[in-house]
Amino acid sequence: GEDVEQSLFLSVREGDSSVINCTYTDSSSTYLYWYKQEPGAGLQLLTYIFSNMDMKQDQRLTVLLNKKDKHLSLRIADTQTGDSAIYFCAESGSFSGGYNKLIFGAGTRLAVHP
Amino acid sequence: NAGVTQTPKFQVLKTGQSMTLQCAQDMNHNSMYWYRQDPGMGLRLIYYSASEGTTDKGEVPNGYNVSRLNKREFSLRLESAAPSQTSVYFCASSGDSMNTEAFFGQGTRLTVV
Repeated sequence: GEDVEQSLFLSVREGDSSVINCTYTDSSSTYLYWYKQEPGAGLQLLTYIFSNMDMKQDQRLTVLLNKKDKHLSLRIADTQTGDSAIYFCAESGSFSGGYNKLIFGAGTRLAVHP
Repeated sequence: NAGVTQTPKFQVLKTGQSMTLQCAQDMNHNSMYWYRQDPGMGLRLIYYSASEGTTDKGEVPNGYNVSRLNKREFSLRLESAAPSQTSVYFCASSGDSMNTEAFFGQGTRLTVV
């Protein structure tokens, strides 16, 4: 079945790079996503990558995709205290009739300390 | 820009009570979803609606019912609340293309005692 796994916690020093990892099982996923959840808020899309890409860079964010190993990572350069949040990896499941099925991981809580 | 609006934000219920969580979106999206978020378990899909008038079960539908009242609104009902339904509930909506951003509401924190 479909499953997305992430480590639950990551602690980094301010200014360092953060790398959040994710593994997924559905090789037919067309898109893979990273969502960010700040305390008391809903999820917001951070970035996504199409399955035929290996890497995508967006300012401080770099997404790497290893399709062979079904491994996705999110690198945040120069991590700031404002980056402290829960980060969810998600894969798009089967698309039918307008249904965009997202399968979420458990979320990685990123703590940034001085 | 309201996006996805959920009400209420917080609710405490006694076991056996019923309630309806409301959700509305103003982005003209066809697809709407209800998820629950529990610690260490990510978001699990309860029900979804691909269009007005249609609803389907997700991963954890037991104990819930939904109603897609019109294109804007998608409500989630707990007929007889149980402590296992203590969770944070999120409504979301998305467009129709294969890659479409899902927009989430702020969440409803429900406690069943």
